[in-house]
Amino acid sequence: GESVGLHLPTLSVQEGDNSIINCAYSNSASDYFIWYKQESGKGPQFIIDIRSNMDKRQGQRVTVLLNKTVKHLSLQIAATQPGDSAVYFCAERGSSYKLIFGSGTRLLVRP
Amino acid sequence: KAGVTQTPRYLIKTRGQQVTLSCSPISGHRSVSWYQQTPGQGLQFLFEYFSETQRNKGNFPGRFSGRQFSNSRSEMNVSTLELGDSALYLCASSLVGLASDTQYFGPGTRLTVL
Repeated sequence: GESVGLHLPTLSVQEGDNSIINCAYSNSASDYFIWYKQESGKGPQFIIDIRSNMDKRQGQRVTVLLNKTVKHLSLQIAATQPGDSAVYFCAERGSSYKLIFGSGTRLLVRP
Repeated sequence: KAGVTQTPRYLIKTRGQQVTLSCSPISGHRSVSWYQQTPGQGLQFLFEYFSETQRNKGNFPGRFSGRQFSNSRSEMNVSTLELGDSALYLCASSLVGLASDTQYFGPGTRLTVL
């Protein structure tokens, strides 16, 4: 498949464990944040989003936490599965309404 | 409902040539955005089209252009190709655009410039 990024930070977790992927964003005026998952050979897939008036949002097996004080976003994946192996990107929407993507984190799930 | 489709999936061109990439959004989506993805620069926003008008633009040279048709399908054109234009070009569609709603990405077009 196509390589998304050759030198991405990598998080390696055991199948069944919880994963936490972190992201620092740049613009304190950003009001909307999204996590995407990108598997090899595919485009980014929406996972979960959160607006700046919230600090936590839960989905199915995923939770996003937003700390506006330190401009930090995290994605927690519960009971990580082999199918979760992918590159994960956070994105922020700034005042110009453009999405700015982070550099990504590669998640490897060990069987 | 069918997802975002992009054609072609792979393309090889030489320096100086031009290329046109196509994107068909999800049915009912009126906004199409284009992104360039490279290992070095990551995902970078190119432009957004809504109702046949460019509504937002990233920091790319004028060699990169696009358009949108009345059926919301979009094309992106890169003229005078450079080696550095080699990348995965992604398009994303949403109902009304970046200001409001979730973008859904296509599989991308892998462009290689020799």
